[in-house]
Amino acid sequence: EIVLTQSPATLSLSPGERATLSCRASQSLSIYLAWYQQRPGQAPRLLIYDASNRATGIPARFSGSGSGTDFTLTISSLEPEDFALYYCQQRSNWPPTFGQGTRLEIK
Amino acid sequence: EVQLLESGGGLVQPGVSLRLSCAASGFTFSSYAMGWVRQAPGKGLEWVSAISGSGGSTYYADSVKGRFTISRDNSKNTVYLQMNSLRVEDTAVYYCAKTRGSSSSWYGDYWGQGTLVTVSS
Repeated sequence: EIVLTQSPATLSLSPGERATLSCRASQSLSIYLAWYQQRPGQAPRLLIYDASNRATGIPARFSGSGSGTDFTLTISSLEPEDFALYYCQQRSNWPPTFGQGTRLEIK
Repeated sequence: EVQLLESGGGLVQPGVSLRLSCAASGFTFSSYAMGWVRQAPGKGLEWVSAISGSGGSTYYADSVKGRFTISRDNSKNTVYLQMNSLRVEDTAVYYCAKTRGSSSSWYGDYWGQGTLVTVSS
């Protein structure tokens, strides 16, 4: 099973700042990595798939990069609604696995 | 508009069975693999099971293999998760997720609101 490690566990920033979230895989994923946002009491929402493709309806301030074992989610300028929990997920091998999450909180 | 509506959750004792359903609408159901993802209270996400668009291929996490069975009825646009021999550690919100392709594209691009399964004596 592929292990995904996200860092940092918590990121404290202010609205308008740039956020950079990382996800490292225990083996190469090629580009088969996604990012999700989860707000309290809600289902996850797909943001990015295949490392760098924005999902339908996702604002351009969200971008993804990386390949192999190291991936990054960048939020260029934080909006109040962006403060949430973020998960990475791989689909390279079954079972798909998630990272443990990064909590993005208001500073 | 894609909609996924789960049902069937509840409070059950260890060892019993439960069947979850997920009714889908707003897309060509048989063209997409579907999956179940669970989230234990205060914990992260776990893919439990998935099924190809045709229903011919099924996939399970080791934690549920042999106890859970996924199936789908493409005439009813519904996917099911039959859960047998439930354990306390199966307690979670179970989400139904539509994937991006007919098979092996294990990204959930649309999710239901989730149904809570609580296993407790």
